[in-house]
Amino acid sequence: DTAVSQTPKYLVTQMGNDKSIKCEQNLGHDTMYWYKQDSKKFLKIMFSYNNKELIINETVPNRFSPKSPDKAHLNLHINSLELGDSAVYFCASSQEGRGAFFGQGTRLTVV
Amino acid sequence: DQQVKQNSPSLSVQEGRISILNCDYTNSMFDYFLWYKKYPAEGPTFLISISSIKDKNEDGRFTVFLNKSAKHLSLHIVPSQPGDSAVYFCANNAGNMLTFGGGTRLMVKP
Repeated sequence: DTAVSQTPKYLVTQMGNDKSIKCEQNLGHDTMYWYKQDSKKFLKIMFSYNNKELIINETVPNRFSPKSPDKAHLNLHINSLELGDSAVYFCASSQEGRGAFFGQGTRLTVV
Repeated sequence: DQQVKQNSPSLSVQEGRISILNCDYTNSMFDYFLWYKKYPAEGPTFLISISSIKDKNEDGRFTVFLNKSAKHLSLHIVPSQPGDSAVYFCANNAGNMLTFGGGTRLMVKP
């Protein structure tokens, strides 16, 4: 069974559209994250949620809105997509901040 | 300003030899460091960690060394195997936040 699963794996969409990426973890972890891997391959944190509450928001445009319906899910909704949003987005989860487990990534391409 | 740096973007090693991956950091306020391994089209996979109160942690072929005075850590893989070829990220964990280095691509040649 996949520990952290995110869907879709690939997403191609036009500028201006609104899209969502879903993430689910079955590890019982309290903390979930969204990371963005940019064109230079740097992994940068976007958001961190602990027990459904936002605890980290790293200067991400407000077009990005995470939603955590329960502690096993952290979805990422993006409004008015821009070309610069093209990247690979990784969801992750951890317990007590240790050794986060990552999803397989979602490659978003905005055209 | 990168708080965690991996200055070598790539490293090539012969199978059976030692691979040494390096990482430097600027922020001394952390709980522990972690190393992740990443294959193409997959998410990073946790490899090994080291607590801020230790200077060495070993797990099989993988050993991580932490030099707090130099703000430097390294990952040693010995003996290296072709399956170790991947991108390796070091990450600094402080609170609920992982800060990653830029990664080093390791290529282990048969």
